[in-house]
Amino acid sequence: EAGVTQSPTHLIKTRGQQATLRCSPISGHTSVYWYQQALGLGLQFLLWYDEGEERNRGNFPPRFSGRQFPNYSSELNVNALELEDSALYLCASSPGQGFRNQPQHFGDGTRLSIL
Amino acid sequence: AQTVTQSQPEMSVQEAETVTLSCTYDTSESDYYLFWYKQPPSRQMILVIRQEAYKQQNATENRFSVNFQKAAKSFSLKISDSQLGDAAMYFCAYHSGGGADGLTFGKGTHLIIQP
Repeated sequence: EAGVTQSPTHLIKTRGQQATLRCSPISGHTSVYWYQQALGLGLQFLLWYDEGEERNRGNFPPRFSGRQFPNYSSELNVNALELEDSALYLCASSPGQGFRNQPQHFGDGTRLSIL
Repeated sequence: AQTVTQSQPEMSVQEAETVTLSCTYDTSESDYYLFWYKQPPSRQMILVIRQEAYKQQNATENRFSVNFQKAAKSFSLKISDSQLGDAAMYFCAYHSGGGADGLTFGKGTHLIIQP
């Protein structure tokens, strides 16, 4: 069974640009979570999608957005990039809202570097 | 809001010895789940063990076990017979039983295995 896959592995952008990160969940999983792992700030919850809808978001500005497609894959978009957006972005999936006791499984992450 | 605290930024243990990583959390909820994840340099977050708050019995997974003290809001991880492959960052994480948020992570403990 394939795990959570993320692309690209590494993304280099400059300030003010937009970045798009992609995530494919484990087959059968309907929930996708996005986390930011920035140096010194630890892992922070960004967004949660389930069944195509945004269910909740963490304490991040609106320039962090995303969507979930009918096949449950997801995109994270970051607009107007700032230097402090440099981080590892992790995607995780779980079976869905009705399976809250099931753990989240993570991908390898996308390293976003802002020059 | 929930908080997770890992008070040991770094721990070192001799190969084949036992080590315990500490984690405390703060919550007003009664229904929640606790997890330990490891993140080796390859950066993928790997689930080590999980504990449901309603279960009194401590979870075990092979060489990994937890000491869950619900009243004290403590959730420590014991690694027995430490192996070189156990070297990684270890993160304690909390998930609300309501499932409306993502995981709340501690800052992590860097575990070093001395050969």
